Amino acid sequence: SQKIEQNSEALNIQEGKTATLTCNYTNYSPAYLQWYRQDPGRGPVFLLLIRENEKEKRKERLKVTFDTTLKQSLFHITASQPADSATYLCALDGGRGAAGNKLTFGGGTRVLVKP
Amino acid sequence: GAGVSQTPSNKVTEKGKYVELRCDPISGHTALYWYRQSLGQGPEFLIYFQGTGAADDSGLPNDRFFAVRPEGSVSTLKIQRTERGDSAVYLCASSNIPDTQYFGPGTRLTVL
Repeated sequence: SQKIEQNSEALNIQEGKTATLTCNYTNYSPAYLQWYRQDPGRGPVFLLLIRENEKEKRKERLKVTFDTTLKQSLFHITASQPADSATYLCALDGGRGAAGNKLTFGGGTRVLVKP
Repeated sequence: GAGVSQTPSNKVTEKGKYVELRCDPISGHTALYWYRQSLGQGPEFLIYFQGTGAADDSGLPNDRFFAVRPEGSVSTLKIQRTERGDSAVYLCASSNIPDTQYFGPGTRLTVL
């Protein structure tokens, strides 16, 4: 069956360092992969999307890589700030030919940036 | 502009009761999604509407769950004979482009 795995342990990191989160998937052939941020009591907020034919995507201090051979995406927050503290969710689409754009989410990784 | 709104923000009900959860999508968004999120987990897909019709309801756990979107805008998720296991945050998202989904704040449902 399809499976998406994110590190369930919280990531504690010092301000200014780079946080790296991992998303691994099995039994999928996604057309794209997305990363969302979720704060307590709020809905997820879209951050970045990377397509299957893209290796890397950047947005401000965020960088995402996508390796369809390894079936893995890495999400980097550079020069991290306490305001980056949140849960980060990886999400995959239904794959080629799937109707609509329903997303399947990983369990999320909580990041805590300490001043 | 206004984002996705969901009402109520919190709903406490007793086992066996009927509940309705409402979602107001971003104006003009044709696609609407319902997800359910349990504590410590990622959102889980329930149902997807394109316009007024349910294009994919494969995530609805059983026939106690039903959703409508009669005019292609507001959607209501209905749960009959609620069970304690239905307790979760119910998230709604809308979209007008194929990729990005915009989520509401969710409704926290507690079944006692």
